[in-house]
Amino acid sequence: NAGVTQTPKFRILKIGQSMTLQCTQDMNHNYMYWYRQDPGMGLKLIYYSVGAGITDKGEVPNGYNVSRSTTEDFPLRLELAAPSQTSVYFCASSHRQPEAFFGQGTRLTVV
Amino acid sequence: DQQVKQNSPSLSVQEGRISILNCDYTNSMFDYFLWYKKYPAEGPTFLISISSIKDKNEDGRFTVFLNKSAKHLSLHIVPSQPGDSAVYFCAASDTYGGSQGNLIFGKGTKLSVKP
Repeated sequence: NAGVTQTPKFRILKIGQSMTLQCTQDMNHNYMYWYRQDPGMGLKLIYYSVGAGITDKGEVPNGYNVSRSTTEDFPLRLELAAPSQTSVYFCASSHRQPEAFFGQGTRLTVV
Repeated sequence: DQQVKQNSPSLSVQEGRISILNCDYTNSMFDYFLWYKKYPAEGPTFLISISSIKDKNEDGRFTVFLNKSAKHLSLHIVPSQPGDSAVYFCAASDTYGGSQGNLIFGKGTKLSVKP
């Protein structure tokens, strides 16, 4: 079992560029989440999904979009990247709330 | 406004002694609490949890205590080992409420266990 896999691990974006952070899990979990962690801060929920075809906003959704076409995949899309989106992004999944398994993270820098 | 607070950014403990990490919360609707451990360049890993119907949960060297009246929980690690050096996040969930069971995290406490 690979668990939760995120790609890429690192990325540098220029202001205004777009990108998709990939997340896939092989545990057949219904729940999936995207968090961001800024330096010295806790994790904040961006978007979450309770199953394929269903997504909802978390605490900090502005500037992001998600989709959930399959149980396994939950990509996070950044449109028009801004320096405020410089952060470490974590994808997570869970079979039942609230315990969640996290991926290793994507470190994103917007310059 | 922070709903989950970890007021100590760091803690240093000698190997073999007890580590006590503290967490306070403000939302009385939280009914489930978790501790996650995070090493550098890795994702958080689930450590231990406690439901609001309990006041203590133990798993090996790790014990979590919950004081609902004080809205306070603590994680005890006994004995502490150098491999326990990591950032520990407290998280809370309002299972049946508006957050739909999603986790609210504190800012974390960096534990250093010295040999």
